[in-house]
Amino acid sequence: SQQGEEDPQALSIQEGENATMNCSYKTSINNLQWYRQNSGRGLVHLILIRSNEREKHSGRLRVTLDTSKKSSSLLITASRAADTASYFCATTLRAGNNRKLIWGLGTSLAVNP
Amino acid sequence: EAQVTQNPRYLITVTGKKLTVTCSQNMNHEYMSWYRQDPGLGLRQIYYSMNVEVTDKGDVPEGYKVSRKEKRNFPLILESPSPNQTSLYFCASSPGTQGSYEQYFGPGTRLTVT
Repeated sequence: SQQGEEDPQALSIQEGENATMNCSYKTSINNLQWYRQNSGRGLVHLILIRSNEREKHSGRLRVTLDTSKKSSSLLITASRAADTASYFCATTLRAGNNRKLIWGLGTSLAVNP
Repeated sequence: EAQVTQNPRYLITVTGKKLTVTCSQNMNHEYMSWYRQDPGLGLRQIYYSMNVEVTDKGDVPEGYKVSRKEKRNFPLILESPSPNQTSLYFCASSPGTQGSYEQYFGPGTRLTVT
């Protein structure tokens, strides 16, 4: 069952531009995470924002969280060709001992040189 | 280097032939999990384990088995694979209940069942 829905599904920009991806979710969360997946490869954790945080930065990444709207955004500034990948948001439902991540379907980002 | 390893990375097999995908992590993580990724369906959890000898079903456990005899290893077993198990599989690990929620993923195993 998908918890997160990313928007847009696909995004194409030029190197140096900023990329913004949005994620909406349905239920209350402990935290929300963003992951990157290069084509057909493993997922890499980018950033985690807790439910009591509103904004977080990591290098060129900026994540915001609005729990009242059940939404989050990921901003990548000064994009590079190497940022080309799919980006997923995932929420953690703390059900018993299970740290299951509930995933969106991702935003496919293409950064053109 | 802290990592999660999976083997094999690619596997083509035939219906009904038992197979095992291995997963190992060197971070002393308590929590491990298996996901499958399918187009249009995203990532779905198959099984998870909170610690040695403690495993439980995720959202799509049918046709799969797991075991957790050692903390570092969490193999995924397909006793009788079927074509609908053709997918990209990921193993992930995470620190235990007192640790971070971040999950560390293996490189993936692309399985094709004919």
